Amino acid sequence: GESVGLHLPTLSVQEGDNSIINCAYSNSASDYFIWYKQESGKGPQFIIDIRSNMDKRQGQRVTVLLNKTVKHLSLQIAATQPGDSAVYFCADNFGNEKLTFGTGTRLTIIP
Amino acid sequence: KAGVTQTPRYLIKTRGQQVTLSCSPISGHRSVSWYQQTPGQGLQFLFEYFSETQRNKGNFPGRFSGRQFSNSRSEMNVSTLELGDSALYLCASSQDGTGGARTEAFFGQGTRLTVV
Repeated sequence: GESVGLHLPTLSVQEGDNSIINCAYSNSASDYFIWYKQESGKGPQFIIDIRSNMDKRQGQRVTVLLNKTVKHLSLQIAATQPGDSAVYFCADNFGNEKLTFGTGTRLTIIP
Repeated sequence: KAGVTQTPRYLIKTRGQQVTLSCSPISGHRSVSWYQQTPGQGLQFLFEYFSETQRNKGNFPGRFSGRQFSNSRSEMNVSTLELGDSALYLCASSQDGTGGARTEAFFGQGTRLTVV
């Protein structure tokens, strides 16, 4: 079946450095992706989204890159802060039916 | 603008019992989706309601059901609870954009259900 996954279950980054979290998907027809951040004890929080007619989208301190050729997307967080510690999920909203989530990457910030 | 509200936040139930969880979406959002989150299976889609009708359904047994009211508030029900139903149940609301294209889904804090 179709799937969305993440490359690394955990990632540790020095405070102030940039973080890159990767995600792969299998459905070449997928056309809308969302990144979520989930802190302990909370629901997923929307970070940024991107549609398949774009390669890059920027938000505040975050950038999402989409490579449709290799079915890969990444979330870049600039100047990582302690508050960025969380689990990050990419989600595929193929067919406008439901969100299919990856397994998540736990980002830990080293002071 | 208030966010997605789920009640209760925590719940402990005994095997065999049933449970009802509630979700109030963001004002103006007509789509409400439910997800189950467990350490082993991650986030899995249960079902989605739009204008009081179930629009999509995931691969969960019939013990899991839901409904949506005219004010877009939604409830989900789990009957004959099993230990494996222990999970964080999340509700998300969104609004259909132009041409039916979806907009981003916003999640509530979730209801932590423990079955003993």
